[in-house]
Amino acid sequence: GEDVEQSLFLSVREGDSSVINCTYTDSSSTYLYWYKQEPGAGLQLLTYIFSNMDMKQDQRLTVLLNKKDKHLSLRIADTQTGDSAIYFCAERPGANNLFFGTGTRLTVIP
Amino acid sequence: NAGVTQTPKFQVLKTGQSMTLQCAQDMNHNSMYWYRQDPGMGLRLIYYSASEGTTDKGEVPNGYNVSRLNKREFSLRLESAAPSQTSVYFCASSGQGTSNQPQHFGDGTRLSIL
Repeated sequence: GEDVEQSLFLSVREGDSSVINCTYTDSSSTYLYWYKQEPGAGLQLLTYIFSNMDMKQDQRLTVLLNKKDKHLSLRIADTQTGDSAIYFCAERPGANNLFFGTGTRLTVIP
Repeated sequence: NAGVTQTPKFQVLKTGQSMTLQCAQDMNHNSMYWYRQDPGMGLRLIYYSASEGTTDKGEVPNGYNVSRLNKREFSLRLESAAPSQTSVYFCASSGQGTSNQPQHFGDGTRLSIL
């Protein structure tokens, strides 16, 4: 079955860049997603990348995809305290289903 | 624009009680999903409905039933609640097809089984 792995915790200082990493197993995944979850809330779609792309930039967010290594990363530039949350990567191997990683809890230190 | 609405937001049950979690979406999405979120385990799919009138098991369906009442509503039922079902439950919906159809999530139902 699908297995999406992330490290559980990351701490950065305000103003620094954050890099959250993810590895996935299904090479047929057409889209890969990053979701953000703030305390007590549901998951909010941050960004996504199509499998034929290597990089996607969206304001402070940069997604890098290495299909050979099945590695996905999310870089947040100029990290702010409001970026503190849990970040989930997810792969979409089929038409509907998403498979989520365990989530990385990002803590931004003022 | 409400998006995905879940009710209730919180619930405490005793072991053996039954409960239905409600979910409704106003985005005219074909597909709807129920997940549970447990610490250190991410989200796991319980059931999904690819379209009105169809439902399929996900990764962890045991102890649950679902009903796709119409295109808008997808309910999750616990017939006899067990402490292992203490979790945060999320409903999601998405459009259908092979093009990018991200899932949109509700704010969750926090369920405790004593």
